[in-house]
Amino acid sequence: QQPVQSPQAVILREGEDAVINCSSSKALYSVHWYRQKHGEAPVFLMILLKGGEQKGHEKISASFNEKKQQSSLYLTASQLSYSGTYFCGAPDNTNAGKSTFGDGTTLTVKP
Amino acid sequence: EAQVTQNPRYLITVTGKKLTVTCSQNMNHEYMSWYRQDPGLGLRQIYYSMNVEVTDKGDVPEGYKVSRKEKRNFPLILESPSPNQTSLYFCASSSQGINYGYTFGSGTRLTVV
Repeated sequence: QQPVQSPQAVILREGEDAVINCSSSKALYSVHWYRQKHGEAPVFLMILLKGGEQKGHEKISASFNEKKQQSSLYLTASQLSYSGTYFCGAPDNTNAGKSTFGDGTTLTVKP
Repeated sequence: EAQVTQNPRYLITVTGKKLTVTCSQNMNHEYMSWYRQDPGLGLRQIYYSMNVEVTDKGDVPEGYKVSRKEKRNFPLILESPSPNQTSLYFCASSSQGINYGYTFGSGTRLTVV
């Protein structure tokens, strides 16, 4: 079962903040986040391994609550370069080679 | 430069004509994987490999084959392509374990007519 992401799409002005959520019906040991710009390959942003742990990448941070089987990606003071589609990915707990991805959240940052 | 190289970038073929999409990584990664990406469906895993000669099915393996004879290469084979395999395909690799993210290739856009 794929993780479920929300919202499906977000439109922001430069400087505004956004939150993208990822939830799973299965227990999660870790969550990955990727960004894909139009016509390009997904690029790895960060991995969350422990419950409640937050990580950061530029002005992008994330949290992971393993009890709730949820992760959230926080984009603060959005820049034009943040536009793209964001995916969360979840490796299988018993088989690390098997990974499923959410269906993505498209973020558009306007001037 | 550390990278995953896929070829070709674009491919148009006819139904039933066997084809191979190549994937090679230069990072000595143990894990390699193939995904297809379709509008509204995100990335779906086709096959993955955890090491040489170790491959397994992902979520959508029907109509595809893979092999992992060398650590760096993981080709995707479509023995008899059909129009429903028209898609954007990505190869990806990572170090062993769940502590590492994937590095993706630049993608292959396949059209089967």
